[in-house]
This record gives sequence, C-alpha cells and structure tokens, in this order.
Amino acid sequence: DTVLTQSPALAVSLGQRVTISCKASESVSSSSYSYMHWYQQKPGQQPKLLIYHASNLESGVPARFSGSGSGTDFTLNIDPVEADDIATYFCQQSWNDPYTFGAGTKLELK
Amino acid sequence: EVQLQQSGAELGKPGTSVKLSCKVSGYNIRSTYMHWVNQRPGKGLEWIGRIDPANGNTIYAEKFKSKATLTADTSSNTAYMQLSQLKSDDTAIYFCAMEEQGGFAYWGQGTLVTVSS
Repeated sequence: DTVLTQSPALAVSLGQRVTISCKASESVSSSSYSYMHWYQQKPGQQPKLLIYHASNLESGVPARFSGSGSGTDFTLNIDPVEADDIATYFCQQSWNDPYTFGAGTKLELK
Repeated sequence: EVQLQQSGAELGKPGTSVKLSCKVSGYNIRSTYMHWVNQRPGKGLEWIGRIDPANGNTIYAEKFKSKATLTADTSSNTAYMQLSQLKSDDTAIYFCAMEEQGGFAYWGQGTLVTVSS
C-alpha cells in the first residue's frame, strides 16, 4: 500500500504562511497528473476537498489555499492563515489501489 | 446541488451485521464511483473501498475484504455498505463519498456505528 506521511501537528500564528507536507512511499504521479488531493476536516464535520490533482483549487475554496508537488513530495500552503483555517488537514492518493490517506496534520494556534 | 444523505446512527451487538445507506441527489451515481471511508474516535481517515454503480464492480482495502460489502441500487441512486461480524473496534463514523476528478468532492454527513453488547 502507498503510505502517506504527514507531520502530526503545526503551531501557527494568524496571518502567517504555513506549509503542510505529505510524502508518499512511492510515486503517485503519471505523465499527465499527480493523483494527490488535500482535505480539511473540522471537529464533528465531514472532510472537505480543498485541492485535487496536487494543485487544482476546488470550486468555492479560498485562493489562500494552494498545492504543489509531484512524484512523492507534495505540499499544501495556506497564506495567510485565518482563524477559520484551524482544522486538521489530510492528504490522499488515488493513483494506487487501495486509496490511502495521510494520518493528518492538525493546525494549532501559537 | 449534489447531496449525499446517509442513514442514521446504528447500535450493533458484537457478531451481528449492520447495513448503511447513502442516498445521492443531484447526480446520477452510474456516472461515478462511490467510496466508503471510516474514522475511528479521535483518529484519521481510512479508505474502505469503492463501487462502480454502473456495473457493480468493487475494490476493497485488504483489511476490509471480509468486513465490508458494497452494493448500489441505481434505480434509487443509493449506495450501501454492510458491515459484518461486528467487533468493538468497528466503532467509528462511516462516510460515503463521491469521486470527481480523482478527489472526493462530495461527502455524506457520516453514520456513527457503535458496537456494544
């Protein structure tokens, strides 16, 4: 299975730029697309898709969110961080079966 | 507007089965894959499997091959997941999700399954 590794937690200050990383145990990219997606989850809610295919912003998601990467290394950026962004962020790959999720990165306020 | 409406919370005894439903409105499920994901208390997301409602083909994560059975009824635009031989560590929230452009663009609200005698 493709293992996705994320840092468990990040302490952030409002207004700063934050980078959340996700490293895959094998490539999740083809010659055309990277099959890496990012989700935000707040307590008691279902996850929300933010970024698909590594760098495409889902409709309705604020432009302060962006994604990049290919192969095995991917990042989600939030710039600037707002209070509403305090949540847990998951990466997920859909290139290899079974699909897998990272363990999640919890954003916390400094 | 696409909406996924999941069935209500379930309380199951160890060794029994439960069947969860996920009714989709605003989109024909024949045109997508339906996925199921769980989240144990305080833990992360775990992919269980997917079904292609157009032909009934399924793919499961290895650990769920003997636990979960995915089906779909295209006439009612509803996906189902049966969980069998319930154990305490099956206690979790179970989400259905609809794939679009590779990511899970639409999610149900989740169904809490509690396994207790």
